[in-house]
Amino acid sequence: AQTVTQSQPEMSVQEAETVTLSCTYDTSESDYYLFWYKQPPSRQMILVIRQEAYKQQNATENRFSVNFQKAAKSFSLKISDSQLGDAAMYFCAYRRDDKIIFGKGTRLHILP
Amino acid sequence: EAGVAQSPRYKIIEKRQSVAFWCNPISGHATLYWYQQILGQGPKLLIQFQNNGVVDDSQLPKDRFSAERLKGVDSTLKIQPAKLEDSAVYLCASSWGDRGLEQYFGPGTRLTVT
Repeated sequence: AQTVTQSQPEMSVQEAETVTLSCTYDTSESDYYLFWYKQPPSRQMILVIRQEAYKQQNATENRFSVNFQKAAKSFSLKISDSQLGDAAMYFCAYRRDDKIIFGKGTRLHILP
Repeated sequence: EAGVAQSPRYKIIEKRQSVAFWCNPISGHATLYWYQQILGQGPKLLIQFQNNGVVDDSQLPKDRFSAERLKGVDSTLKIQPAKLEDSAVYLCASSWGDRGLEQYFGPGTRLTVT
């Protein structure tokens, strides 16, 4: 069965610095999608970034980028130039066909 | 473009009572999802609809939970009777197709069962 593990329950970073959130997953499939979602205190989940497993190039979206290591089944999120608005819960998610599985999340604090 | 709407935002009930949540997906989205998010955990898929048909309800506690999506648009999720362990945030999401490459989430309903 597929699983998604986020080993860091909480992290803190100084404003304007860079932080990396970790995610590992377990699957026997070769074709799947990986996501990072942000959930601020308002509870609305927002898609941050998406990676297709068949693509070797790491996805980037402005200040957000991923380090996708398919063989190691690792999918970390790097946030550059952290801003106060980045404070939220971040969830890593795995999807193949109809199945989507979320990790337990990492709470990110931004220190002014 | 209007987002996914959910109501109510908050609900407090006593155990053994019933409760219903409503979701209006983004216009044109064929796929609708209900998730349960217990405090400190990630969302867990309860049920997925493709138009008004059920695609996956393998994690829905069918003895007390039910859901429907009439006419392939709005959806309701019902719990009857509620238990203490049902206290959670219930999230609704929608997407264009059944592969759900990007799901758009609503603000959720926080349920407290006392």
